[in-house]
Amino acid sequence: GQSLEQPSEVTAVEGAIVQINCTYQTSGFYGLSWYQQHDGGAPTFLSYNALDGLEETGRFSSFLSRSDSYGYLLLQELQMKDSASYFCAVRDKKGRRALTFGSGTRLQVQP
Amino acid sequence: GAGVSQSPRYKVTKRGQDVTLRCDPISSHATLYWYQQALGQGPEFLTYFNYEAQPDKSGLPSDRFSAERPEGSISTLTIQRTEQRDSAMYRCASSLKTGKETQYFGPGTRLLVL
Repeated sequence: GQSLEQPSEVTAVEGAIVQINCTYQTSGFYGLSWYQQHDGGAPTFLSYNALDGLEETGRFSSFLSRSDSYGYLLLQELQMKDSASYFCAVRDKKGRRALTFGSGTRLQVQP
Repeated sequence: GAGVSQSPRYKVTKRGQDVTLRCDPISSHATLYWYQQALGQGPEFLTYFNYEAQPDKSGLPSDRFSAERPEGSISTLTIQRTEQRDSAMYRCASSLKTGKETQYFGPGTRLLVL
């Protein structure tokens, strides 16, 4: 089967940097995505990595190492509004466009 | 439309009743997905459509669940003979077909089966 593992909770202070890790075991791999979900809201896309390396989008960066089946989301200059759940998700079958999501990391940003 | 919309937003039903949930994707999006999301968990794939074709319904939990998208735009998810374990948030998402990975999620339908 396939599984994605990420920490269940992370706490950090405003202005800090936090890294949320994700390891995956899937039968195939066609890219790692990250989604943010605020309480009561819908998941929203943050980033996508198909190849090894770092992708940067503003305060958020995402990293992928396919040889290690590992990725992370890096959030810089944390703001209170970043308090949310963060999900890594894998596209694990070529031609199958659906995503397999992890169980999420709840980030709490404190003042 | 401007985003993915779903209706109803909340549905309370009695065990054994049939329910139909509706999704209206972003108008330019060829691909539409249905997910089930339990509280505190990530979305779990149910099925998806490319236009009106349904290439993968491997995530549907049982034959009580079915989905259709007859004209390649609006989609419905029907659960027959609902059971209490069907209680969850049902989310629809859509994406462009051409290799774009971003999925745009709707607000979801919260289903409660009593």
